[in-house]
Amino acid sequence: GNSVTQMEGPVTLSEEAFLTINCTYTATGYPSLFWYVQYPGEGLQLLLKATKADDKGSNKGFEATYRKETTSFHLEKGSVQVSDSAVYFCALSMDSNYQLIWGAGTKLIIKP
Amino acid sequence: GAVVSQHPSRVICKSGTSVKIECRSLDFQATTMFWYRQFPKQSLMLMATSNEGSKATYEQGVEKDKFLINHASLTLSTLTVTSAHPEDSSFYICSACRDGYTEAFFGQGTRLTVV
Repeated sequence: GNSVTQMEGPVTLSEEAFLTINCTYTATGYPSLFWYVQYPGEGLQLLLKATKADDKGSNKGFEATYRKETTSFHLEKGSVQVSDSAVYFCALSMDSNYQLIWGAGTKLIIKP
Repeated sequence: GAVVSQHPSRVICKSGTSVKIECRSLDFQATTMFWYRQFPKQSLMLMATSNEGSKATYEQGVEKDKFLINHASLTLSTLTVTSAHPEDSSFYICSACRDGYTEAFFGQGTRLTVV
């Protein structure tokens, strides 16, 4: 079946460090890929998405490229801030009815 | 815009009682809402798809008589956990879809603890 695997957390970094959170997927067909973020005490928010191979999603300094050959959608940011501390979820969708298959989430902690 | 409010954010109840969780789309109409459940350190699992004015569609393995879903209006869906037991303790999250938008908007989640 379809599934998403992302690196376990927590990931702890210092401010201005480079961030990578790995996400790989298994899917029959061609999914859309998403990164969602959940800040403390808030709901999930869409961070970025990509709908086809080689697409790059970007938002708030974060980027992720849809790599079909490696079935990956790794999240990157060149210089993290304390305000980026949150839980990040990778997800995929196989159709347009918004049903999402989720990774387990990665907690990111940024220290000043 | 596109705010989804979920209430309550935390609830503790006694075993055998029922708990109702509300999911409201505050500034848009949502024909479809989804209910997810998340166990510690695990993925969000889709429980059911709720369509306004019709019966919810439950995922395999989800007991429809235990997790009652009602979507009586375009801005409100409710999940009632009936005769709750400690194993029902979990984090429940709803999301709502807005026509014409290619993303779902999520509530803040509800932490249910059954003692």
